[in-house]
Amino acid sequence: AQKVTQAQTEISVVEKEDVTLDCVYETRDTTYYLFWYKQPPSGELVFLIRRNSFDEQNEISGRYSWNFQKSTSSFNFTITASQVVDSAVYFCALSEAAGSGSARQLTFGSGTQLTVLP
Amino acid sequence: DVKVTQSSRYLVKRTGEKVFLECVQDMDHENMFWYRQDPGLGLRLIYFSYDVKMKEKGDIPEGYSVSREKKERFSLILESASTNQTSMYLCASRALGAGGPYNEQFFGPGTRLTVL
Repeated sequence: AQKVTQAQTEISVVEKEDVTLDCVYETRDTTYYLFWYKQPPSGELVFLIRRNSFDEQNEISGRYSWNFQKSTSSFNFTITASQVVDSAVYFCALSEAAGSGSARQLTFGSGTQLTVLP
Repeated sequence: DVKVTQSSRYLVKRTGEKVFLECVQDMDHENMFWYRQDPGLGLRLIYFSYDVKMKEKGDIPEGYSVSREKKERFSLILESASTNQTSMYLCASRALGAGGPYNEQFFGPGTRLTVL
């Protein structure tokens, strides 16, 4: 069975600090996808990124960057120069390979509540 | 702009009542999902539907049923609400296509249900 662990329940930083949200996953498949979603106070989850298991290149999008390391089964998310608007719950999620019954669903971590203080 | 809407943001019901949560998407997506979100547990899948009239159980289907008579609408039904079903309920949809089951899901704003 697949599993996603976000060990950090809550993180609090001061604006302009960098912050890294950890995500560790378990799967027996060699083909899988990893996702990050953001849930602001409004409640609606917003898709941030998708990464497949064959692409270990790190990705940067503005102040956001992601570090995927298969050797440690981790897919960490870093926000550089954090802003108050980054305050939200962030979820990491895993989708296993097509062909299995679970392919249609995501397994979510428990989420990390990030608070950025002004 | 893509849109998933849920019928209520907040709902209060009594134990034993039949509860309907409605979800509508305007993106012509094939797949739709119902999750519940509880503190410390993340999102857990209740049911999903890969097409009209098609449904499959997720991880926690007990006490719930679903209905998908039209492509755009996916309903979650609590046949006899209980206090342990007090939770945030999130609906999502996903297109098939090039990415297939790996495409991102689009979420509604959630319904916070309280069962007294």
